[in-house]
Amino acid sequence: EPEVTQTPSHQVTQMGQEVILRCVPISNHLYFYWYRQILGQKVEFLVSFYNNEISEKSEIFDDQFSVERPDGSNFTLKIRSTKLEDSAMYFCASNWAGNTGELFFGEGSRLTVL
Amino acid sequence: AQSVAQPEDQVNVAEGNPLTVKCTYSVSGNPYLFWYVQYPNRGLQFLLKYITGDNLVKGSYGFEAEFNKSQTSFHLKKPSALVSDSALYFCAVSAGYKYIFGTGTRLKVLA
Repeated sequence: EPEVTQTPSHQVTQMGQEVILRCVPISNHLYFYWYRQILGQKVEFLVSFYNNEISEKSEIFDDQFSVERPDGSNFTLKIRSTKLEDSAMYFCASNWAGNTGELFFGEGSRLTVL
Repeated sequence: AQSVAQPEDQVNVAEGNPLTVKCTYSVSGNPYLFWYVQYPNRGLQFLLKYITGDNLVKGSYGFEAEFNKSQTSFHLKKPSALVSDSALYFCAVSAGYKYIFGTGTRLKVLA
């Protein structure tokens, strides 16, 4: 069964460093999302992406964040200068049907900022 | 603004008993509603959705949910709980170009 894959599974970084989280969505999906979850609790929307541009972003997704789909398969989330409060589990998700379709989630990338 | 609420942080139920995990929503227009389950250190897995049609929706692992427009609810149910159903459950609503998740309900099924 096709799945969304995310790398790395865990990254530890120093405050102020840049981090890139990578995702390979399911191949025929068209809509891509990043969510984060802090301490296994609330699942917070960061950004949605369709047709090579951002569809919507949340207040969390400030100038320190960016997304890219550089080669038609990968979907990356970059945090330019990490802060302590960026420590979280980051989930990539995708679907083919937009807002009527279920999301397929990856297993997540745990980011720890020291 | 679109939102979902899960009023219970935790639900405890004995194995074999029916379970209900509650969700209410607030949307403008037609609601597109979803339930997901999350096991420890895993991603969210889709259980079921309501888009249109029959108010009783059946999903994975024997779960079902009832859409109630007058009560703006979409409660998740299962007739007979298993210990392996113990997990974190999220209700979600589609809102434009994003999905909004509830705060989650931890289900604990006791043997």
